[in-house]
Amino acid sequence: EDQVTQSPEALRLQEGESSSLNCSYTVSGLRGLFWYRQDPGKGPEFLFTLYSAGEEKEKERLKATLTKKESFLHITAPKPEDSATYLCAVQVFWWNNAGNMLTFGGGTRLMVKP
Amino acid sequence: GAVVSQHPSRVICKSGTSVKIECRSLDFQATTMFWYRQFPKQSLMLMATSNEGSKATYEQGVEKDKFLINHASLTLSTLTVTSAHPEDSSFYICSARGADSAEAFFGQGTRLTVV
Repeated sequence: EDQVTQSPEALRLQEGESSSLNCSYTVSGLRGLFWYRQDPGKGPEFLFTLYSAGEEKEKERLKATLTKKESFLHITAPKPEDSATYLCAVQVFWWNNAGNMLTFGGGTRLMVKP
Repeated sequence: GAVVSQHPSRVICKSGTSVKIECRSLDFQATTMFWYRQFPKQSLMLMATSNEGSKATYEQGVEKDKFLINHASLTLSTLTVTSAHPEDSSFYICSARGADSAEAFFGQGTRLTVV
């Protein structure tokens, strides 16, 4: 069974205090790993897709990395507006590509204090 | 990223009535759409997957007669909660993915309250 575990569940940072969020996964065949940001009462906002171990992607203060077992979302010098829940999800290869649904982790609630 | 519009954002209905939620892909053709349910402070729970023109595939434990999904076109999917009860109150979110695309984009979500 495909599993995705995110840690920590919650993270409090001071503004400017860099840190990393972890997403560990156990899947049969990874097609892609996705990071989303979700603000309260809103749908998830797409951030990154990673396809293979060693891949890295950056966007402003965020950088996502991928290994064969886990992904990290690094936040450099965070600001209060980075406060949100960050979700990671995996997509596995299906025999018919018709489904390819995402399996989500539990999310990390990030709070950045000014 | 691509834009997915979900409507309404909030709805309050009486027990026993039905509610329809719409999900539209505005700038791409969505060959696959997904419907999720999210409880407070929890992650997204997949309810069903639908491919345009075919019947939806429901996850285990999701009543297909209660949660009717229609994906009649490449830009529109609807979720109808039939004979709603207070326990159906939740945050419902759709997502859409185009052909040959790995990324799925999400709607804004619908907060359903059944009174």
